[in-house]
Amino acid sequence: GEDVEQSLFLSVREGDSSVINCTYTDSSSTYLYWYKQEPGAGLQLLTYIFSNMDMKQDQRLTVLLNKKDKHLSLRIADTQTGDSAIYFCAEWAAGNKLTFGGGTRVLVKP
Amino acid sequence: DGGITQSPKYLFRKEGQNVTLSCEQNLNHDAMYWYRQDPGQGLRLIYYSQIVNDFQKGDIAEGYSVSREKKESFPLTVTSAQKNPTAFYLCASSMARSNEKLFFGSGTQLSVL
Repeated sequence: GEDVEQSLFLSVREGDSSVINCTYTDSSSTYLYWYKQEPGAGLQLLTYIFSNMDMKQDQRLTVLLNKKDKHLSLRIADTQTGDSAIYFCAEWAAGNKLTFGGGTRVLVKP
Repeated sequence: DGGITQSPKYLFRKEGQNVTLSCEQNLNHDAMYWYRQDPGQGLRLIYYSQIVNDFQKGDIAEGYSVSREKKESFPLTVTSAQKNPTAFYLCASSMARSNEKLFFGSGTQLSVL
């Protein structure tokens, strides 16, 4: 079955880079996503990567995909206080199902 | 502005009562979804609908019901059979079931009195 795992918490200083990691088990994943959730709000799609890619960059965001190890990461460059939120990775796999990880709470300290 | 609107923001349920959460979208999306979020956990799929007048159970459908009479609307009823309803409920939509980019509403926090 599908399983998506993330670490629970990440603390980072303002201006540093943040790296949020995610592992998944379903080798039939076609797309992998990163969503951001601010307190009391819905999820906002940040970026996504197709499974035949190994890297995607979008302004301050860099997504790395290691399909062999089933490992996905999101790097946020020059982390700002507004980046404090919960970040969810999600995979879309065979069976047309989107499976979310448990979320990583990122705290940016000034 | 196009988007997804959930109401109310906060809802309280008495024991034995059914409550209905509203979800409306003006994005002209075919597919709509309901997720439940518990603290420190990921999102779990309750129900989804690919087209009007059709919906499917997700992973945790017991104690919930939905309808899809209009493309724009996908209300969720939390019935008295749902014994642990306290959670944050998120509605989402996408252009089609095969299009995986979900757009989310701002959520409804349901609590039991």
